[in-house]
Amino acid sequence: NAGVTQTPKFQVLKTGQSMTLQCAQDMNHEYMSWYRQDPGMGLRLIHYSVGAGITDQGEVPNGYNVSRSTTEDFPLRLLSAAPSQTSVYFCASRRGGNTGELFFGEGSRLTVL
Amino acid sequence: KNQVEQSPQSLIILEGKNCTLQCNYTVSPFSNLRWYKQDTGRGPVSLTIMTFSENTKSNGRYTATLDADTKQSSLHITASQLSDSASYICVVSPRGSGTYKYIFGTGTRLKVLA
Repeated sequence: NAGVTQTPKFQVLKTGQSMTLQCAQDMNHEYMSWYRQDPGMGLRLIHYSVGAGITDQGEVPNGYNVSRSTTEDFPLRLLSAAPSQTSVYFCASRRGGNTGELFFGEGSRLTVL
Repeated sequence: KNQVEQSPQSLIILEGKNCTLQCNYTVSPFSNLRWYKQDTGRGPVSLTIMTFSENTKSNGRYTATLDADTKQSSLHITASQLSDSASYICVVSPRGSGTYKYIFGTGTRLKVLA
């Protein structure tokens, strides 16, 4: 099993550009989520999904869009990149229920100039 | 406000020594508490998951303890190895707030020297 796969691993954008971070999981997990990790702060939830066709906002959703057309894929779109979105982004998934293990991807490091 | 605080921020130990990392939380009530290991440039990997009714959980040389009365958890690493060099993150899930809520600590960065 590949687990949770994120692409790209590194990306540099200019302010105002848009891009999509890809996330795919092959574990048939219902729950998928996107976090950002910044120095000196815990991971913060951007958006999450509890199944295909269902998405909701986390604590820092502004400037990001998501969609969940299939169980496997959960892309994160940056609409108009800003320097404040420079961060490391992690996709995570788990089976349904709150006690399951949360599996993380390897991360995508984004720099916005 | 629900918070998870970890100490120390960073720690350096010699290979073979033991160490204990601390996690204090204000989340109440909570459903479960997790410890994750994050190697540099990698995603977090689960070490232990404890429900509010458990006191201890082991995973090889890693042992997590939980005191729900004092709202403290610790992660004890026995006979440290160079590969233990990583950040260790404490994560608490509030109870009754939906199935998506995780509150992450900022982590303890551990360096094991030969």
